[in-house]
Amino acid sequence: GAVVSQHPSRVICKSGTSVKIECRSLDFQATTMFWYRQFPKKSLMLMATSNEGSKATYEQGVEKDKFLINHASLTLSTLTVTSAHPEDSSFYICSARSAGGRTDTQYFGPGTRLTVL
Amino acid sequence: KQEVTQIPAALSVPEGENLVLNCSFTDSAIYNLQWFRQDPGKGLTSLLLIQSSQREQTSGRLNASLDKSSGRSTLYIAASQPGDSATYLCAVGPDSNYQLIWGAGTKLIIKP
Repeated sequence: GAVVSQHPSRVICKSGTSVKIECRSLDFQATTMFWYRQFPKKSLMLMATSNEGSKATYEQGVEKDKFLINHASLTLSTLTVTSAHPEDSSFYICSARSAGGRTDTQYFGPGTRLTVL
Repeated sequence: KQEVTQIPAALSVPEGENLVLNCSFTDSAIYNLQWFRQDPGKGLTSLLLIQSSQREQTSGRLNASLDKSSGRSTLYIAASQPGDSATYLCAVGPDSNYQLIWGAGTKLIIKP
């Protein structure tokens, strides 16, 4: 099946630094990628939708200047948490839709655990 | 506004038992519903996808049902095994877009 990877799987950083998380579709082209955030014991929250070559669409309440999303190619989307603070600590998951696959199938990445000290 | 609820939040059962996880949603106008599994600190594994026109889907020991009129879906796990221990999430697709609305999950522990 289709594989989505995320890098890094875990990251610990100091408050004030920026962290970039990569989401790659390894064996398919992804026209659309989604970024989710998960708090402990809570639902996944959709942060933004990114389409290759265009600006990401952010959900209400998500700061676009803080969570920079770049979908530069059909196989790569990046999420940059700028000037990270402890409240940004969370589990970030991306998903991707195959350009030529079933119209209702998302493939999920393994997630990235971000801890901001 | 669609809301998805999963009850219970946690469930612990002995190995070998059959069990049912519940998912309810407030708006019956859905496109599809999916069940996922999440292992601790890991990403998501899609288990079953039910289209709005379907009543159930089966995969191995798993069976998911959908009753749109009552706003409910169940995930039935037969002959549970310790390896089934994980958090199970249901998510509703409100339209043909891929933005999903998630429940908070049920943490399942199967005791050997």
